[in-house]
Amino acid sequence: GNSVTQMEGPVTLSEEAFLTINCTYTATGYPSLFWYVQYPGEGLQLLLKATKADDKGSNKGFEATYRKETTSFHLEKGSVQVSDSAVYFCALSDRSGGSNYKLTFGKGTLLTVNP
Amino acid sequence: KAGVTQTPRYLIKTRGQQVTLSCSPISGHRSVSWYQQTPGQGLQFLFEYFSETQRNKGNFPGRFSGRQFSNSRSEMNVSTLELGDSALYLCASSLLGDRHNSPLHFGNGTRLTVT
Repeated sequence: GNSVTQMEGPVTLSEEAFLTINCTYTATGYPSLFWYVQYPGEGLQLLLKATKADDKGSNKGFEATYRKETTSFHLEKGSVQVSDSAVYFCALSDRSGGSNYKLTFGKGTLLTVNP
Repeated sequence: KAGVTQTPRYLIKTRGQQVTLSCSPISGHRSVSWYQQTPGQGLQFLFEYFSETQRNKGNFPGRFSGRQFSNSRSEMNVSTLELGDSALYLCASSLLGDRHNSPLHFGNGTRLTVT
């Protein structure tokens, strides 16, 4: 079956530091890949996505590239801010199942950014 | 445009009782999905509805059920509650114009506590 593995947290960084959160996946078909972010007390928000190999998703300074050869979709940001503190989830949807709306999520990585 | 609305925000129930959670999707969205979020298991897919039909179901026991109404609003029901059902239940809606690129929009969830 499908699975997503992302790096264990928590991750604590100082403001303006470089961020990488690793994510690898296992899927039977050709999945779309996503990063979602969850702020305290809220639901999940889509941060970025990539639908095919070598696509780069980007939003709010965050980037991730769909690497089929390494089955990875690592999240990066060059300079984090305190407001980026949240839980980040890597997820995939498997097109072969016929529906885009069954997402498989990683366990989540808690990021704390200190001023 | 109003986001995905879930009611109630918090619920406390006793083992053996049943509970109904409600979700109003973004206006015009026809697909509604439900996810369970727990510290141990993370985010797990429950089911997805489109035009009042269940299209996809996760690996949950039959105590978990749902439905969608003609106005796309959705409810999920959990019968014979167990302590392990304590979780944040998230609803997400999607436009479904292009099923592989329409993002999921999540509500803030209903926090269910079973005592």
